[in-house]
Amino acid sequence: SQTIHQWPATLVQPVGSPLSLECTVEGTSNPNLYWYRQAAGRGLQLLFYSVGIGQISSEVPQNLSASRPQDRQFILSSKKLLLSDSGFYLCAWSRQGGQPQHFGDGTRLSIL
Amino acid sequence: GIQVEQSPPDLILQEGANSTLRCNFSDSVNNLQWFHQNPWGQLINLFYIPSGTKQNGRLSATTVATERYSLLYISSSQTTDSGVYFCAAMEYGNKLVFGAGTILRVKS
Repeated sequence: SQTIHQWPATLVQPVGSPLSLECTVEGTSNPNLYWYRQAAGRGLQLLFYSVGIGQISSEVPQNLSASRPQDRQFILSSKKLLLSDSGFYLCAWSRQGGQPQHFGDGTRLSIL
Repeated sequence: GIQVEQSPPDLILQEGANSTLRCNFSDSVNNLQWFHQNPWGQLINLFYIPSGTKQNGRLSATTVATERYSLLYISSSQTTDSGVYFCAAMEYGNKLVFGAGTILRVKS
């Protein structure tokens, strides 16, 4: 069966520090991968998605970037965090072709 | 892009009661998913339902794609059903657009 892992579960970072959140998927190959952010406990917003290694689409302009160095690895990064980057970040995967998305357990990011 | 609206925004039920949550979407969609977010933030897949009706235990869902809405039914609610219920519509490119959610609280 397929599993998705995100880490860390919780992160507290100072303003201006860098960020790296990692997501990996097991048990499938060539998945679609997604990063979402949830602010204030309501509604998720798609940040990035990837249909293959090195292929990244950005949905909203922001202080963050994403990379996919390996088939089942998706990384969310920032060079300098802003207060507004605080939130709950979730990674998801799906098979190609309109299949359902499955979510990781998320990372709670607090910026001080 | 597509717009997704959920109602009601908040719902309080007595344990054992039934409820219906609604999701309206503004355009044709490739698919629709219902999720339950538990108090720890985990998003649990409930249904993947482009059309028709599906049932899983006390939960069932119906999507009428031609009329652009989906319904989630919860019967004999339990306190463990509490949390936030999201519907999400899939537009082109496998991208999910989420509604704002319904916050459900089940009282014992």
